[in-house]
Amino acid sequence: QKEVEQNSGPLSVPEGAIASLNCTYSDRGSQSFFWYRQYSGKSPELIMFIYSNGDKEDGRFTAQLNKASQYVSLLIRDSQPSDSATYLCAVESNTGKLIFGQGTTLQVKP
Amino acid sequence: SAVISQKPSRDICQRGTSLTIQCQVDSQVTMMFWYRQQPGQSLTLIATANQGSEATYESGFVIDKFPISRPNLTFSTLTVSNMSPEDSSIYLCSQSGGSKNEYNEQFFGPGTRLTVL
Repeated sequence: QKEVEQNSGPLSVPEGAIASLNCTYSDRGSQSFFWYRQYSGKSPELIMFIYSNGDKEDGRFTAQLNKASQYVSLLIRDSQPSDSATYLCAVESNTGKLIFGQGTTLQVKP
Repeated sequence: SAVISQKPSRDICQRGTSLTIQCQVDSQVTMMFWYRQQPGQSLTLIATANQGSEATYESGFVIDKFPISRPNLTFSTLTVSNMSPEDSSIYLCSQSGGSKNEYNEQFFGPGTRLTVL
């Protein structure tokens, strides 16, 4: 089992819809979770981090964490074509290192 | 967040040569890391660059192939030694633990795109 798993996609949603990106992790002791957005040819850009169970909202983005289920998700409301990118889930290990999932490619169609 | 720059942004190198990549942060940070991202793949941590001591390498990466320096809290270098075409990749540095960080989140530099012929 991979340490951090994401569906590679592509996930295709129409403009204005909610995009839901999911991530599961294997280390039950993980405490911090990060979502990065990576446009083609660019480096990863941090968009959200969460470390408490529940929801964390920032603009159109909501991160959700359920440590009991070892599950973290990212919701993007009112999706725009500019949101089309690869979204990387990262989990911080107990040594401070980030372990990345394979990423989910999101396509927002006008 | 702190601003991170990398040099060079891209390079094309011959097999058997070495390339040193520089990473500069505009403020002091606790942690600096080096990652590799192969085409179509996610990020793989190469090593943690430790200030004033030897880097901590991940499984599958060795100091002879990827020597790393970190002489101070704002600068690090990664050398890719004796390159082969399999080393063609994007190399990224990241930082965390700076005064401009809200938590222990990592921010990435723009990356160095390396092609080995």
